[in-house]
Amino acid sequence: NAGVTQTPKFRVLKTGQSMTLLCAQDMNHEYMYWYRQDPGMGLRLIHYSVGEGTTAKGEVPDGYNVSRLKKQNFLLGLESAAPSQTSVYFCASSYSGLHTQYFGPGTRLTVL
Amino acid sequence: GQQLNQSPQSMFIQEGEDVSMNCTSSSIFNTWLWYKQDPGEGPVLLIALYKAGELTSNGRLTAQFGITRKDSFLNISASIPSDVGIYFCAGQIVMDSNYQLIWGAGTKLIIKP
Repeated sequence: NAGVTQTPKFRVLKTGQSMTLLCAQDMNHEYMYWYRQDPGMGLRLIHYSVGEGTTAKGEVPDGYNVSRLKKQNFLLGLESAAPSQTSVYFCASSYSGLHTQYFGPGTRLTVL
Repeated sequence: GQQLNQSPQSMFIQEGEDVSMNCTSSSIFNTWLWYKQDPGEGPVLLIALYKAGELTSNGRLTAQFGITRKDSFLNISASIPSDVGIYFCAGQIVMDSNYQLIWGAGTKLIIKP
């Protein structure tokens, strides 16, 4: 049981490049989340999904897109990376909105 | 937007000391959660609080849900080296008909050698 896994662990992009972060969970959770973590700030919700085929905007969605084509996967896309998107990105999943969120190990993204 | 004020930002303590940190908000929350993040890892849930006034323990950790539902504290007794990390509070709210978490900025715990 791997829990929540994230790919890649580290990435460096140039401004304007695009990339996709992959999150996978093997706990059959309905809910999945993408957060970003910046120094001195709490986690901020980017987008989330309450089930396969659904997505919704969180607190800071601009510049990001997501897709949940399969229940176990939640993809976060950056179409045109900007330096302001330099951050550590965490994926989480939960059985429902009321249940504990389990986090992946994070992806450290640097945009030059 | 909603904000949680978590304090202190960081703590330097000696091994064996007790630790106390808290979160306050101007908003009312249904649930308070305390997470710990080790370096290079994602946050892990320590304690969940569901009712105003609730006091819950998990080993050397004790947390309370404030009576007003606008605050919570976390105490760690007799700290040990593995307690080092960043502790986050999170409050659960309903937004757009879904439950979401609002996070504090974290308290970094450092144990002095």
